[in-house]
Amino acid sequence: DAKTTQPNSMESNEEEPVHLPCNHSTISGTDYIHWYRQLPSQGPEYVIHGLTSNVNNRMASLAIAEDRKSSTLILHRATLRDAAVYYCILRDFSSGNTPLVFGKGTRLSVIA
Amino acid sequence: NAGVTQTPKFRVLKTGQSMTLLCAQDMNHEYMYWYRQDPGMGLRLIHYSVGEGTTAKGEVPDGYNVSRLKKQNFLLGLESAAPSQTSVYFCASSYSPNTEAFFGQGTRLTVV
Repeated sequence: DAKTTQPNSMESNEEEPVHLPCNHSTISGTDYIHWYRQLPSQGPEYVIHGLTSNVNNRMASLAIAEDRKSSTLILHRATLRDAAVYYCILRDFSSGNTPLVFGKGTRLSVIA
Repeated sequence: NAGVTQTPKFRVLKTGQSMTLLCAQDMNHEYMYWYRQDPGMGLRLIHYSVGEGTTAKGEVPDGYNVSRLKKQNFLLGLESAAPSQTSVYFCASSYSPNTEAFFGQGTRLTVV
């Protein structure tokens, strides 16, 4: 899987939007962009994924740059429960033998 | 729908003892993964499987063995436990490389 780069940590105020960036300059045409998060003392959970177009679901939005070399996970209104480590991962959909490998992620702190 | 279930949830081993961690999923998923997470660190992939009867090495496979005799189960074995294997172990499963992965709640293993 191609490599991603994320800031080590970010801070947000409660009820404000949060934009979590991810750089993936070596992304290939067959890489999907996946986001997971890990709440304290829990296993990771899926957030969202996309290929080229922006994606929305009940948890978040994913904005993908036109050249696909970067993406941004958007939490529209941060809550205290959103404090977690967020992981941006590339997954090659053309290969049936692609593992799910986590990087260091971004630790998001939410201030009340 | 139980999702991904890990057994046991906690275990203390003495150095040199052996044990098997069980991961069971009831979603008919093809892909299964074993990770370890050390305190304050990210998840590291130990082994994974892309289908019944298959296994592959991840980032940190040494000291561990795995088996996938049944599609729904993925076993992680420690033949001779070492204190360096003290960690929280997470199992995950997904239908394909490009679909949402579901994680278990983790097994906290301490080797003394």
